[in-house]
Amino acid sequence: AAGVIQSPRHLIKEKRETATLKCYPIPRHDTVYWYQQGPGQDPQFLISFYEKMQSDKGSIPDRFSAQQFSDYHSELNMSSLELGDSALYFCASSRTSGGLQETQYFGPGTRLLVL
Amino acid sequence: AQKITQTQPGMFVQEKEAVTLDCTYDTSDPSYGLFWYKQPSSGEMIFLIYQGSYDQQNATEGRYSLNFQKARKSANLVISASQLGDSAMYFCAMREGNTGANSKLTFGKGITLSVRP
Repeated sequence: AAGVIQSPRHLIKEKRETATLKCYPIPRHDTVYWYQQGPGQDPQFLISFYEKMQSDKGSIPDRFSAQQFSDYHSELNMSSLELGDSALYFCASSRTSGGLQETQYFGPGTRLLVL
Repeated sequence: AQKITQTQPGMFVQEKEAVTLDCTYDTSDPSYGLFWYKQPSSGEMIFLIYQGSYDQQNATEGRYSLNFQKARKSANLVISASQLGDSAMYFCAMREGNTGANSKLTFGKGITLSVRP
């Protein structure tokens, strides 16, 4: 079965640089979520999109922005990177059935290291 | 207050034995979902099992079952016949509400499980 695809899998950036993470949801899934997992931490919700519109926002820094495109893929743009942004970034997708959200399936994650 | 609490320290289990991983939750929303995910050392987040707040029966998925006690607000994961490949971090997570606008997951701190041969 098709899974969530994330690219790149690994990324190394310098402080103050920018990064773009990409996510391709499971086909026919209409909702995309972004989570950030710091070292030894639990995943923290950043932002979500339902049918290409932002549906919820969590603890996402103002330096970060995201969008979902017409083909449902999503991109997380991160600017002015800080050392503390080093983390594993997950994208997850789910579908809506009968107006209700189903299970979120996670991609393999993008491991970002900021030097 | 913590919405999801996982307080067990690292857990150890002998191969082929059963193990229970504890999870308690806190919500005032009558409609919610509880999830367990497995995160091996490689980092991916693997969905294991789901329990809805209105489900009458405990969820089961192969060797995984969920001991759902609604009044006690607990959703413990039971892994039967442990295998070496079960060694991983296990996260309990909750979704409050279930519509598109409020379906984010809140995770617990996780429990490390080590399976001994």
